[in-house]
Amino acid sequence: QKEVEQDPGPLSVPEGAIVSLNCTYSNSAFQYFMWYRQYSRKGPELLMYTYSSGNKEDGRFTAQVDKSSKYISLFIRDSQPSDSATYLCAMSGTGANSKLTFGKGITLSVRP
Amino acid sequence: EPEVTQTPSHQVTQMGQEVILRCVPISNHLYFYWYRQILGQKVEFLVSFYNNEISEKSEIFDDQFSVERPDGSNFTLKIRSTKLEDSAMYFCASRWGTSGGEQYFGPGTRLTVT
Repeated sequence: QKEVEQDPGPLSVPEGAIVSLNCTYSNSAFQYFMWYRQYSRKGPELLMYTYSSGNKEDGRFTAQVDKSSKYISLFIRDSQPSDSATYLCAMSGTGANSKLTFGKGITLSVRP
Repeated sequence: EPEVTQTPSHQVTQMGQEVILRCVPISNHLYFYWYRQILGQKVEFLVSFYNNEISEKSEIFDDQFSVERPDGSNFTLKIRSTKLEDSAMYFCASRWGTSGGEQYFGPGTRLTVT
């Protein structure tokens, strides 16, 4: 079983739709959960960062973590064409040097 | 807003040549990382670095790879003898905190080995 699995996509939605992106993981040591946005041939840009279980909201974005199910989600409300990108989930343990383990990413296209 | 920078943006080299990829992490950050992403694949951890020494390295980071922080600002990744399969995007990342969590990435260096 892969450590982090992410829905493969691609995903195409009309402008204004609510988008739900999901990842599952197998490693119980993961405590920090991140969502990154990546444009083609660019570096990952940090969008959301959550510690342990719960929800976190930032504008149109909501990150949700369910550690009991080992499942994390990113919701995008009122999606815009500018949200079109690849979204990567990433996770780490609690050690100071903890590396990030990434999902493969899902490419989202928001149609005007 | 502070950001991680990387140079060059694109490096083309011949198989067997040495390359050095350079990064300037965010100035007050303490932990430094290199990751790579082969086209169409996931971002993979290579190495972490703290207090002038390697903290952890992956199985990818073999004897052909080395990292250095030659001064207070630069962080480099050297590949001694490049192989075709080293062709990838290489990302530098940094963070400041004392617990796990968010890392900030640079724009990447695209390495093409011919």
